[in-house]
Amino acid sequence: GESVGLHLPTLSVQEGDNSIINCAYSNSASDYFIWYKQESGKGPQFIIDIRSNMDKRQGQRVTVLLNKTVKHLSLQIAATQPGDSAVYFCAEPGPVGGKLIFGQGTELSVKP
Amino acid sequence: DTAVSQTPKYLVTQMGNDKSIKCEQNLGHDTMYWYKQDSKKFLKIMFSYNNKELIINETVPNRFSPKSPDKAHLNLHINSLELGDSAVYFCASSQAGSNYGYTFGSGTRLTVV
Repeated sequence: GESVGLHLPTLSVQEGDNSIINCAYSNSASDYFIWYKQESGKGPQFIIDIRSNMDKRQGQRVTVLLNKTVKHLSLQIAATQPGDSAVYFCAEPGPVGGKLIFGQGTELSVKP
Repeated sequence: DTAVSQTPKYLVTQMGNDKSIKCEQNLGHDTMYWYKQDSKKFLKIMFSYNNKELIINETVPNRFSPKSPDKAHLNLHINSLELGDSAVYFCASSQAGSNYGYTFGSGTRLTVV
């Protein structure tokens, strides 16, 4: 649904620490999820994806975990750097025409 | 060699005016989209076109009219602008069957005063 009335969740971490950004989904039939990163003044950028037949997928410094039992996925960023400061979105395909349904987004701030 | 380019980047206009935002992609993708991002960063699809054909029209007021002259371009025309239209509008493209590997433009910040 719409995010009207909700504040953008924020996460503040110290440089070098690990970050965990969470996302809940409601459709138990969802079989594919994507994480996007949006830096200030830019469009969202693909980070990593995961299919529902996997519990975990790793990229460079990022790991996505999928828990289908509780319909939850998370994005873990290792050794967070100032360049990781951005808004992070989880997304899943909608039923029609290639559209993506985006989650609310979490703003990550990295303190030096 | 920008992959998805939108113009203008900023647009400030008065209520009641008509304005257009242009989008072009040079990735050879067959599907293009317009998304609206509100002040709380919520991203919502407005339209999608596949090979110049409208696929998705997501309950957008008919003051918004997309036009796709060819599969590399998707423009957005907005009539009778209202204060609530103020937002950042993103164009994106993808190739059907590519696991939703969208490429987004850098956005157009529309401010209606």
